[in-house]
Amino acid sequence: GQQVMQIPQYQHVQEGEDFTTYCNSSTTLSNIQWYKQRPGGHPVFLIQLVKSGEVKKQKRLTFQFGEAKKNSSLHITATQTTDVGTYFCAGRSSGTYKYIFGTGTRLKVLA
Amino acid sequence: DGGITQSPKYLFRKEGQNVTLSCEQNLNHDAMYWYRQDPGQGLRLIYYSQIVNDFQKGDIAEGYSVSREKKESFPLTVTSAQKNPTAFYLCASSKVFTGGNIQYFGAGTRLSVL
Repeated sequence: GQQVMQIPQYQHVQEGEDFTTYCNSSTTLSNIQWYKQRPGGHPVFLIQLVKSGEVKKQKRLTFQFGEAKKNSSLHITATQTTDVGTYFCAGRSSGTYKYIFGTGTRLKVLA
Repeated sequence: DGGITQSPKYLFRKEGQNVTLSCEQNLNHDAMYWYRQDPGQGLRLIYYSQIVNDFQKGDIAEGYSVSREKKESFPLTVTSAQKNPTAFYLCASSKVFTGGNIQYFGAGTRLSVL
């Protein structure tokens, strides 16, 4: 079945450093979503990517969808303590409306 | 205040006992979902419902049951057949069950075994 893996599993950065998490699917995706879960909280939707090679930005966050639509990345520039949390990608294959969530990357930002 | 309400926040289950987790939404969403989250793992889909009076098994449905008698409510029962129920359970809803649906999550229920 479809699998979605994320790397790294954990990342500790100093405040102000950049951070990137990568999401890789075993199958071609129709679209991919990114969610953020703060410690002790619940996932909150960040963004959705649909087109091959698509790049979207939200302030310091840059999201990319691979040309082959099998991978995606989230890059945070100049991390802040408010960026702490676990970032999940969720991919959907064609022929289904279900999303498969990645394993998540837990980000810690050291002040 | 629109949103998804899960209760209780913490729940303890005795061996052989069935327990029911509540999920209510006032977003007028058609689709609802139940996920299980274990430490270091992503969210795994237990059951989902595209519309009232209809639901389908997700990837890890064994030992769980659901009902969808009302649009607003999607309770999850963890049965005694679920041998490893300790986890964080998240309920979510989306406006419709289509390709671009965005899921909105409740605050979750932490279930532990006594």
